[in-house]
Amino acid sequence: EDQVTQSPEALRLQEGESSSLNCSYTVSGLRGLFWYRQDPGKGPEFLFTLYSAGEEKEKERLKATLTKKESFLHITAPKPEDSATYLCAVRVNFNKFYFGSGTKLNVKP
Amino acid sequence: NAGVTQTPKFQVLKTGQSMTLQCAQDMNHEYMSWYRQDPGMGLRLIHYSVGAGITDQGEVPNGYNVSRSTTEDFPLRLLSAAPSQTSVYFCASSYGLGGGVSSGNTIYFGEGSWLTVV
Repeated sequence: EDQVTQSPEALRLQEGESSSLNCSYTVSGLRGLFWYRQDPGKGPEFLFTLYSAGEEKEKERLKATLTKKESFLHITAPKPEDSATYLCAVRVNFNKFYFGSGTKLNVKP
Repeated sequence: NAGVTQTPKFQVLKTGQSMTLQCAQDMNHEYMSWYRQDPGMGLRLIHYSVGAGITDQGEVPNGYNVSRSTTEDFPLRLLSAAPSQTSVYFCASSYGLGGGVSSGNTIYFGEGSWLTVV
């Protein structure tokens, strides 16, 4: 059964305190792994796509990495405006995306 | 370029009523889909379409109908609303996903529709 699991469910950081979010997956026919940011009352906003093990993508304070079984979203020196729920999704067999339940990040000033 | 537009934003229904959530995109995307988001359960795929006239079921299709008569529109119908359908609904679209891996295959979401069934 295709499955995506994110951890931790919630994460509290002080401003400037770096950390990582995890997305582990068990799927057949992976066609891409995606990271999204979701603010309260809004739709998910696309951040990154990763296609193969070893691939890395960066955007400002965020860096996403991919292995054969999991992906990490590294947050370096976070700021309060990075507070949001981060969603991981996998694309399977071209036409389906499966989402994890998300990690709610709270960055305190 | 409005992206993905959903209406209504908020709706309260009584059990047994029917309604349609509207979704439109102006990006000429072939792929459109509907998700529901519930606390602790993430986004779950209800139905999707890979082009006009073609629809298929996702993980949680029961109680919902869809049709795709044009590339732009993908309405979601609740036939007889139940309290278990209280949720936030998101419409999403993408360039065609058939074929090999290529850039642009991520999906873009609307702002959501909050539905309460009492």
